[in-house]
Amino acid sequence: GAVVSQHPSRVICKSGTSVKIECRSLDFQATTMFWYRQFPKKSLMLMATSNEGSKATYEQGVEKDKFLINHASLTLSTLTVTSAHPEDSSFYICSAPTRKRPDTQYFGPGTRLTVL
Amino acid sequence: DAKTTQPPSMDCAEGRAANLPCNHSTISGNEYVYWYRQIHSQGPQYIIHGLKNNETNEMASLIITEDRKSSTLILPHATLRDTAVYYCIVRGANFGNEKLTFGTGTRLTIIP
Repeated sequence: GAVVSQHPSRVICKSGTSVKIECRSLDFQATTMFWYRQFPKKSLMLMATSNEGSKATYEQGVEKDKFLINHASLTLSTLTVTSAHPEDSSFYICSAPTRKRPDTQYFGPGTRLTVL
Repeated sequence: DAKTTQPPSMDCAEGRAANLPCNHSTISGNEYVYWYRQIHSQGPQYIIHGLKNNETNEMASLIITEDRKSSTLILPHATLRDTAVYYCIVRGANFGNEKLTFGTGTRLTIIP
């Protein structure tokens, strides 16, 4: 299957700082990528849809000015959590479909963010 | 809201078949049934999907009832590595741009 990577795998930061998470499609091009958030013992919640070369589409209740998404190339999307607070601590996961298999989404391994 | 209902947890003995049920009574004619699983602290992994017919791949089998209101994922010979949360998801056919809506899933524990 297609490979999606995320960097970093885990990050700890101080409250008020910004954190950037990268999502890369290693062996395919992704015009669309999805960003999810998962709190402990909860299910995945879609945050936004990232589209290469255009603005991201955010789900209701997700602050676009706080969670900045950039999809500058066909293999890279970034999520920046600005002015992070402890309540932003979560597991952030990205996914993307491939052109060969548009019916299937491939997920990254996730990034564990802890805000102190 | 998720369109599926799954039992919160199940146990299965190692080596036996694990049968995970899912109800999707409001599924539309053009919507597919997808199964993903998530091993602890990892990203979800695609397992299988189907529309009407039963499907089988190297990981599992998917049995969809004739009225399409429910389905069962079958792991034929469960191993300890199959311990995970299994998500049954109904989605449309707008492939590529269709988002996945995750419910609470079934936490499957394989017992040695």
